[in-house]
Amino acid sequence: EVQLVESGGGLVQPGGSLRLSCAASGFTFSSYWMTWVRQAPGKGLEWVANIKQDGSEKYYVDSVKGRFTISRDNVENSLYLQMNSLRAEDTAVYYCVRLTYYYDSSVAFDIWGQGTMVTVSS
Amino acid sequence: EIVLTQSPGTLSLSPGERATLSCRASQSVSSSYLAWYQQKPGQAPRLLIYGASSRATGIPDRFTGSGSGTDFTLTISRLEPEDFAVYYCQQYSGSPWTFGQGTKVEIK
Repeated sequence: EVQLVESGGGLVQPGGSLRLSCAASGFTFSSYWMTWVRQAPGKGLEWVANIKQDGSEKYYVDSVKGRFTISRDNVENSLYLQMNSLRAEDTAVYYCVRLTYYYDSSVAFDIWGQGTMVTVSS
Repeated sequence: EIVLTQSPGTLSLSPGERATLSCRASQSVSSSYLAWYQQKPGQAPRLLIYGASSRATGIPDRFTGSGSGTDFTLTISRLEPEDFAVYYCQQYSGSPWTFGQGTKVEIK
């Protein structure tokens, strides 16, 4: 079964740090771009960051650049998100998501984890 | 940044009725890079449509995606009880990748 399982969320004070992890199984992890998407309570979805199969390319939404770092370990089949200088507006459920490119060049987020909640509050 | 505007915000319909959801982009989006997702309360989103009109694996044929350029549509031909949820469109054509604000399909 194709599965993504996130962990590492929790309550952190403003300015603090947190590291999210995502364990992948059921597919060849090293063959896929991977992504983090977040959703603030009661709000819509926001793409956060992408990482290429070999980790050589990384992209971030402007609001997290310089504070968040996406990384991966293709031996451990794991995706990570290091979050520093956290702000109240970073409070959200963070989803680990697989990105698939289809034969016709289209692309989509086809596999989602269940999400892990990050709360930034004093 | 490409802004996606979904309408209506809420759609109140009865099971068996047809639902038509709109997604309008602030600039042209390649059809290859437009997707639709369904999200139920307390659950992660689920991919329904990619490439504007291709159904994802396991998605029933009552879900149809269409459109091009700046106007895209998700149609649910006959609503089943399990279809009442929030639907999001997303574009991958320009950076950053963005989602619409969502359309809630609720039971009338």
